[in-house]
Amino acid sequence: AQTVTQSQPEMSVQEAETVTLSCTYDTSESDYYLFWYKQPPSRQMILVIRQEAYKQQNATENRFSVNFQKAAKSFSLKISDSQLGDAAMYFCAYSFDDMRFGAGTRLTVKP
Amino acid sequence: NAGVTQTPKFRILKIGQSMTLQCTQDMNHNYMYWYRQDPGMGLKLIYYSVGAGITDKGEVPNGYNVSRSTTEDFPLRLELAAPSQTSVYFCASSPGQYQETQYFGPGTRLLVL
Repeated sequence: AQTVTQSQPEMSVQEAETVTLSCTYDTSESDYYLFWYKQPPSRQMILVIRQEAYKQQNATENRFSVNFQKAAKSFSLKISDSQLGDAAMYFCAYSFDDMRFGAGTRLTVKP
Repeated sequence: NAGVTQTPKFRILKIGQSMTLQCTQDMNHNYMYWYRQDPGMGLKLIYYSVGAGITDKGEVPNGYNVSRSTTEDFPLRLELAAPSQTSVYFCASSPGQYQETQYFGPGTRLLVL
């Protein structure tokens, strides 16, 4: 069964600094999708970024970018110029025939 | 555009009671999903549907039932509530299956006492 591991239960970053959240996954498939979702205190799950496994180019969305290492089965999220509004739980997810989520990383942004 | 809506937002149930969690989407998505999120954990898939009249089990289906009579609605039924079902429940929808972004509702917090 596919599993998703987020090894950092909590992370902290200073406002305007850069932080990287880690994610690894286990799969025998070659064509799948990876996602990072943000869950603020409101509990609403919001898509941050999406990566297609067959694309070698790393996805970027404004201040958010990923480092996708397919051979290593690693999918880390980099947040640049961190803002107070980035404080939230971040979930990594793997999708092939269904979506599997990691346990999440709680990000704190210090002013 | 409302997206995915869920009712109620919060509910307390006694052990053995039944209830239905409602989910509606207005994006004409074929695929709909129910997840549960336990404290400190990620989401786990309970049931999903690929279209009206078609449903299938996810990772943790025991104790739940679903139906899909219309494209818009995907209710989740708890027949005999147990304390282990205390959780936050999220409904989501997507245009296609695994490769598509899922759009989530705001969640329903359920407490079983």
